[in-house]
Amino acid sequence: GQNIDQPTEMTATEGAIVQINCTYQTSGFNGLFWYQQHAGEAPTFLSYNVLDGLEEKGRFSSFLSRSKGYSYLLLKELQMKDSASYLCAGLDSNYQLIWGAGTKLIIKP
Amino acid sequence: TAGITQAPTSQILAAGRSMTLRCTQDMRHNAMYWYRQDLGLGLRLIHYSNTAGTTGKGEVPDGYSVSRANTDDFPLTLASAVPSQTSVYFCASSDTGGGTYNEQFFGPGTRLTVL
Repeated sequence: GQNIDQPTEMTATEGAIVQINCTYQTSGFNGLFWYQQHAGEAPTFLSYNVLDGLEEKGRFSSFLSRSKGYSYLLLKELQMKDSASYLCAGLDSNYQLIWGAGTKLIIKP
Repeated sequence: TAGITQAPTSQILAAGRSMTLRCTQDMRHNAMYWYRQDLGLGLRLIHYSNTAGTTGKGEVPDGYSVSRANTDDFPLTLASAVPSQTSVYFCASSDTGGGTYNEQFFGPGTRLTVL
């Protein structure tokens, strides 16, 4: 079966760094997405990885290891506005997204 | 640019009644999707359309139907609502579908409660 696993909730301090992990099992693999979703709002795109390695985009970076079925999202210099849920999604062989349940990130001052 | 709009924002519906959730995009995207999001679960695909005139079933299609008469509109119909269809429904679109990668853009969602 297809499955995306990520922690339910994480807490971090303003100004710090946090890493959100995601493991995936999909029928075929065409890439890994990260989305951000603030409470009561729609998901918005953060990153896409299809090759192994780290993609950096400002304060956010995303890493992929296809051999391990593993990805992480790294958030640096945390700000209060980063409090949100972070959704990991794998693109399967039919180019359909398989979504994890999301990681709720709580930022404390 | 509006992007994707959904209507209504929220709705309370009696079980057994029918309802159509509306979705319109102005980005001329080929592909459109309907998801439901329930607490503790990931987004689940209900139906999708890779291009106007075609539709396909997602992971949880039972009890729902869609149509794609043109590029911009992708309505979702519940023929006879049941309480288990209580959820937040998101419509999304992407520039292409069915064989390529493109990020999906989401509408603001419709919160539906079936009593």
